[in-house]
Amino acid sequence: DTGVSQDPRHKITKRGQNVTFRCDPISEHNRLYWYRQTLGQGPEFLTYFQNEAQLEKSRLLSDRFSAERPKGSFSTLEIQRTEQGDSAMYLCASSLETGPYGYTFGSGTRLTVV
Amino acid sequence: SQQGEEDPQALSIQEGENATMNCSYKTSINNLQWYRQNSGRGLVHLILIRSNEREKHSGRLRVTLDTSKKSSSLLITASRAADTASYFCATDDDKIIFGKGTRLHILP
Repeated sequence: DTGVSQDPRHKITKRGQNVTFRCDPISEHNRLYWYRQTLGQGPEFLTYFQNEAQLEKSRLLSDRFSAERPKGSFSTLEIQRTEQGDSAMYLCASSLETGPYGYTFGSGTRLTVV
Repeated sequence: SQQGEEDPQALSIQEGENATMNCSYKTSINNLQWYRQNSGRGLVHLILIRSNEREKHSGRLRVTLDTSKKSSSLLITASRAADTASYFCATDDDKIIFGKGTRLHILP
């Protein structure tokens, strides 16, 4: 297992379009997290899953955002009707439930809304 | 919301010098972690210190934790050009919450 994979690495979309990102965590990790990071800021928590259950969603996650982890393995993050303010790096991380352990992050998906 | 706050926001030092970054947080924690992020890349976990520990070492890294002051420090000794990155502290509350980071620049 080579770590956490995110796809695509970069996405440019027009305002109003829908986009979907994918994250493949480390296979034995049952927790998966999504963060968003804008330039010069630290990552902001969006949501996390334990297996297939979505346990917490940040208030940052508006109704236009939805995340799934259907079989407790990979996860998708969809943004509907994108806005320019959605432009950011979207980071996925995974960890074991029992810990404490550090998180393993993917390289992120950079979204640019034009 | 961001729980941790790093200080300074930016730091430039000569290669070979030691770099110290501080982190303050607001509420009680289970553990505190430090991460490094190279420009435009994902974060890399550096070290985790539990709330009942006061100091921890990993290679050239030394982390201290003072729960009474709700603060932590990260010391990088004998800095190298490759240490140029942003460094974040993160506190654990079922999910980790990051500060805004310290941008470290190692000058040749």
